Amino acid sequence: SQTIHQWPATLVQPVGSPLSLECTVEGTSNPNLYWYRQAAGRGLQLLFYSVGIGQISSEVPQNLSASRPQDRQFILSSKKLLLSDSGFYLCAWSPGTGDTQYFGPGTRLTVL
Amino acid sequence: QQQVKQSPQSLIVQKGGISIINCAYENTAFDYFPWYQQFPGKGPALLIAIRPDVSEKKEGRFTISFNKSAKQFSLHIMDSQPGDSATYFCAAKTGGFKTIFGAGTRLFVKA
Repeated sequence: SQTIHQWPATLVQPVGSPLSLECTVEGTSNPNLYWYRQAAGRGLQLLFYSVGIGQISSEVPQNLSASRPQDRQFILSSKKLLLSDSGFYLCAWSPGTGDTQYFGPGTRLTVL
Repeated sequence: QQQVKQSPQSLIVQKGGISIINCAYENTAFDYFPWYQQFPGKGPALLIAIRPDVSEKKEGRFTISFNKSAKQFSLHIMDSQPGDSATYFCAAKTGGFKTIFGAGTRLFVKA
């Protein structure tokens, strides 16, 4: 069966510091991968998605970037965090030809 | 045209009652309509999904009703339980890679 992992689970970072969040998927190959951000009590904002290694599509111009160095690994990064980057970051995957997205457990990021 | 409008924003239901959450869309190219359930501090999980070739799908206490002509679909939770208290997201997808999510409904079931 397929499993999606995210780490760390929680993170507190000072403004201006770098960020690296990692997501890995097990039990499948060539998945579509997604990064979402969810502000407190709000909906899901799609940040990036990837349909293959090195292929990244950005949805919202911002302080963040994404990379996919391996088939089942998706990384969200920032060089300098802003207060507004605080939120709940969710990674998701879907089968290459499937419709359903499956979400990871999320990373709670607080920027102080 | 890519939006999915969800209502209500929050909902309080007595235990044993029926919870109803509504969604509307404009893009007739959408062909997959999932509902996700999210508990606090957790990622959303697929609850139930429907395609536009059927008008209703039922799984246990959860039912999706789909009205293609009105471009609306809804989630009904029968015999609502305190354990159903969560945020529910409707969503819609075409044949592409992106899923469009509604803004979410916070459901609280009073014991």
